[in-house]
Amino acid sequence: EPEVTQTPSHQVTQMGQEVILRCVPISNHLYFYWYRQILGQKVEFLVSFYNNEISEKSEIFDDQFSVERPDGSNFTLKIRSTKLEDSAMYFCASSPEDRSNQPQHFGDGTRLSIL
Amino acid sequence: EDQVTQSPEALRLQEGESSSLNCSYTVSGLRGLFWYRQDPGKGPEFLFTLYSAGEEKEKERLKATLTKKESFLHITAPKPEDSATYLCAVHSRNQGGKLIFGQGTELSVKP
Repeated sequence: EPEVTQTPSHQVTQMGQEVILRCVPISNHLYFYWYRQILGQKVEFLVSFYNNEISEKSEIFDDQFSVERPDGSNFTLKIRSTKLEDSAMYFCASSPEDRSNQPQHFGDGTRLSIL
Repeated sequence: EDQVTQSPEALRLQEGESSSLNCSYTVSGLRGLFWYRQDPGKGPEFLFTLYSAGEEKEKERLKATLTKKESFLHITAPKPEDSATYLCAVHSRNQGGKLIFGQGTELSVKP
């Protein structure tokens, strides 16, 4: 069964450094998402992406964050200057359409640790 | 503001002891309610989508139901392999494509 893959599984970075999290969505999907989950808290929406542009973003997704689909398969989340509070699990998700009868499928996440 | 609340936060069952998990939601126009299973260190795994009050979906020992204010995930005769965190999420008409998640119910089934 097709799946969303994320790399790396764990990233340790010094505060203030840039980090790029990578995702390969399911191949025929058109909508892509990033969520994060701080330890012990809810899964929170960050951003959605369709047709090579951001379709929606949350308050968390400030100027330090950016997303890109550099080629036909990868979808990346960049944090320009990491802060301690960026430490979390980051999940990528994809769906074929932006409708409720097409559920979002999640990858296994990248654990980001900021020192 | 759209909100999702799950209860209980944690549930311990003996193998074979049936129970239910609750998901209460407040949204401005429900487009869909989703149940996911999350194992430790893994991403959410899709289980069910429910769209309208009265709808039910079943998969093995799990059955999900929906009313206008809440959803239940019923677990019949659970096994240890059903141990996981179960997440409820909603898709609201006013929130684009994003999912709004509850905090989850951590289920532990002992043999």
